Amino acid sequence: KAGVTQTPRYLIKTRGQQVTLSCSPISGHRSVSWYQQTPGQGLQFLFEYFSETQRNKGNFPGRFSGRQFSNSRSEMNVSTLELGDSALYLCASSFSMNTEAFFGQGTRLTVV
Amino acid sequence: AQSVTQPDIHITVSEGASLELRCNYSYGATPYLFWYVQSPGQGLQLLLKYFSGDTLVQGIKGFEAEFKRSQSSFNLRKPSVHWSDAAEYFCAVGVGNNAGNMLTFGGGTRLMVKP
Repeated sequence: KAGVTQTPRYLIKTRGQQVTLSCSPISGHRSVSWYQQTPGQGLQFLFEYFSETQRNKGNFPGRFSGRQFSNSRSEMNVSTLELGDSALYLCASSFSMNTEAFFGQGTRLTVV
Repeated sequence: AQSVTQPDIHITVSEGASLELRCNYSYGATPYLFWYVQSPGQGLQLLLKYFSGDTLVQGIKGFEAEFKRSQSSFNLRKPSVHWSDAAEYFCAVGVGNNAGNMLTFGGGTRLMVKP
């Protein structure tokens, strides 16, 4: 069974641009969450989707958005990039509510 | 709001020695509890989880953790550390309407293993 797949693995963007990250969950998993990992703030929850609906959101500005498709694949978008958005973005999927989450390898975003 | 504290930022142990990584959480009820491990540049791998029931849980790679409600702790242990265990370890709690995938993480403990 394939794990959680995130693309691309590495990305370099310029300040002010926007970026879209993609996540394919484990087959059969319906919940997808996104996390940001930085050396200063650690691992922080961004948002969670279940059956195409965003049900939970962390404390991030509106520049961070996401969506989930009918096949459970998810995308995360960051608009008007800032230097501080440089981070490892991790996607995690779980089978349903209140089951454990499995993480992808992450997308390393560098904003210059 | 819930929070997780991992008091030790760095720990160094000798190969073959025992290991205990500390985790304390703050939450009004019993949350879901997890330990994840991360190698450099990689994602997180689930080591073990506690949802309910037996307070001593076994995980992968010979790890175990014990939930102690009275101490709000969920410490990770391994009887004999291998060099390949060197990595960063994260304790996490899950609460709310999706306690498995809406996690609050501790700051992490970086484990170094001496030969």
